[in-house]
Order: sequence, then C-alpha cells, then structure tokens
Amino acid sequence: QVQLQESGPGLVKPSGTLSLTCVVSGGSVSSSNWWSWVRQTPGKGLEWIGEIYHTGNTNYSPSLKSRVTISVDKLKNHLSLKLNSVTAADTGVYYCTREMDLPNWFDPWGQGTLVTVSS
Amino acid sequence: QTVVTQEPSFSVSPGGTVTLTCGLDSGSVSTTNHPSWFQRTPGLPPRTLIYSTNIRSSGVPDRFSGSILGGKAALTITGARADDESTYFCLLYMGVGTRVFGGGTKLTVL
Repeated sequence: QVQLQESGPGLVKPSGTLSLTCVVSGGSVSSSNWWSWVRQTPGKGLEWIGEIYHTGNTNYSPSLKSRVTISVDKLKNHLSLKLNSVTAADTGVYYCTREMDLPNWFDPWGQGTLVTVSS
Repeated sequence: QTVVTQEPSFSVSPGGTVTLTCGLDSGSVSTTNHPSWFQRTPGLPPRTLIYSTNIRSSGVPDRFSGSILGGKAALTITGARADDESTYFCLLYMGVGTRVFGGGTKLTVL
C-alpha cells in the first residue's frame, strides 16, 4: 500500500524559498502515475499547485507557474516542491498525492506539512 | 483564470438529504471535467469521496453520490449524520495539466 510523507522546514522567511519533500513508500515514484502537490491556505482553501511524471514532465497551476518547481528523484523515491519568493499568502498545509487512472482521482494523500511564512 | 463556484455554506438536518453543487463561471460542467469531491476535516488530509463525476472512492458509503445537474457537478448526501459536518471541495479538470478547486462548502448538520 502506497504511503506518502511530506517534510520540510516549518518556517520560511518572506521572499525566501519554500522547499518540501514527499517520500513515497510501498510503491515507486516511477510507476505510471502523475504525482501532485496541493495546498490548503487560509485565504484560498484547497489549491492545486502542480504535478510531475517520473519522466520529469511537469504541469503547473497558471497562478503559481512563475514561482514553482516540482522535481522527482527516482533513486530516493521522492518528489520535491520548491516555491520561491514566498509571502504570508503562501502559509498553509502542503500535501502530496498520487493521481490514479483517471483525472482528479487522487489516492492516497500524505498527512500534510504546515509551512508558515514569517520573519 | 477559471473560477469554480460552490455554495459557501449549507445546512441539513440529521437524516436529511442535501445536494451541494460545483459550477463554472464560464460555462457548464460536464463529465469531461472529471469532477471530484473531497471532504476536508481539520487536522486530516483531504478525503477523496467521488471522482470522475460519480465513482465512489474505496470505503465511501453509498450515502454519498455524485452527478451532473443543470450544468453543474453535484454531490448528494442522503441520511446526513453529525460526522458529515465538514467542508466539501470539488475539483474540476480543465485540460492537460490544469485543474481547479472550488472554494468549498461548509456543511452544518443540525
């Protein structure tokens, strides 16, 4: 059974870079799935950030595209999220999730990691 | 930027039936948007209830059902229970690499 676990610094300074990792266990990041990052912020509710395939192909939300990079490390079996030039509006809980055989079918979800942007 | 609309709040009596909707500011929702529904409880990750319009995720009771109604995606909860009190989000697929969440509906059971 695939499990996902996000991790990273809980506090990031304004204008800095948010960096998170999602470790995949019980499965492989090289499987035929897209992997997504989703966040919940106080201001916007749930927000889809972007996705990656093990080949390195990515798609990003238009509203975040200029600041986001998602990557995958097949050897470490994890995916990563980088969001630069962060502001307080980026404060929230960040989740990674796997997309199954149909669009928008996400399973499982990681437990999420809280990131606060503050000086 | 696509805007996905949901009722901000809704209330239902215990045992009652409620239908939450998910629309597009720029047109109708169809099955090609692969609407999904998620239950969001504080402190827990999102729980996938419905995907691809009307397919229940594993373990989701048949009290939850999805459909397209009047150009909107719909989530119907029958026999509402106290533990259904939560915030429900829909997600629409807008084409390759693009998907947008609605703002969420806070459901109160009272």
